[in-house]
Amino acid sequence: GAGVSQSPSNKVTEKGKDVELRCDPISGHTALYWYRQSLGQGLEFLIYFQGNSAPDKSGLPSDRFSAERTGGSVSTLTIQRTQQEDSAVYLCASSLAGPTDTQYFGPGTRLTVL
Amino acid sequence: RKEVEQDPGPFNVPEGATVAFNCTYSNSASQSFFWYRQDCRKEPKLLMSVYSSGNEDGRFTAQLNRASQYISLLIRDSKLSDSATYLCVVRPGGFKTIFGAGTRLFVKA
Repeated sequence: GAGVSQSPSNKVTEKGKDVELRCDPISGHTALYWYRQSLGQGLEFLIYFQGNSAPDKSGLPSDRFSAERTGGSVSTLTIQRTQQEDSAVYLCASSLAGPTDTQYFGPGTRLTVL
Repeated sequence: RKEVEQDPGPFNVPEGATVAFNCTYSNSASQSFFWYRQDCRKEPKLLMSVYSSGNEDGRFTAQLNRASQYISLLIRDSKLSDSATYLCVVRPGGFKTIFGAGTRLFVKA
């Protein structure tokens, strides 16, 4: 079956612009996660969705970051007024029911803020 | 202190060698532990879960030491294809998942 997909695969934007990243999880997976990976660094947890609700937003770095998930499926991560330090690979993962299940990752969106 | 710490390496080993990675975690209440593998410019993929009793999958053996708060990964008979970054993953409970920064492994012919 299809895995987790993300779009765009690459995004180059200018400082101060808003960007929207999309994640399409594996069909039937109720849990969805967003992570950020900066060059040479580990994954930084951003946010977790169970269905459409986000019980844990503690990882969002600032109020410029927001995420939503509608219909229990597709999720979008929005970064407003992008800064150069936002440049990273943004990875989405989904799991069947919750945090105890295996997380399957998408290929990521490589964001470059000039 | 970081929540999950790994030796960044790189580990450079010849084919056929045995190599071991350790990972320490700070939250003694952590409940679940995993090793993921990440190839260059690719997404992480689950290698194996780590159970209290230790577990083995072919050439790979994972162990958990709760008293000392570390997990380990042993790779026997290394192959060129094992070259990757190995990520230690800890779930302290709730929804959060903590990834280590990874240990890079290069296996050379």
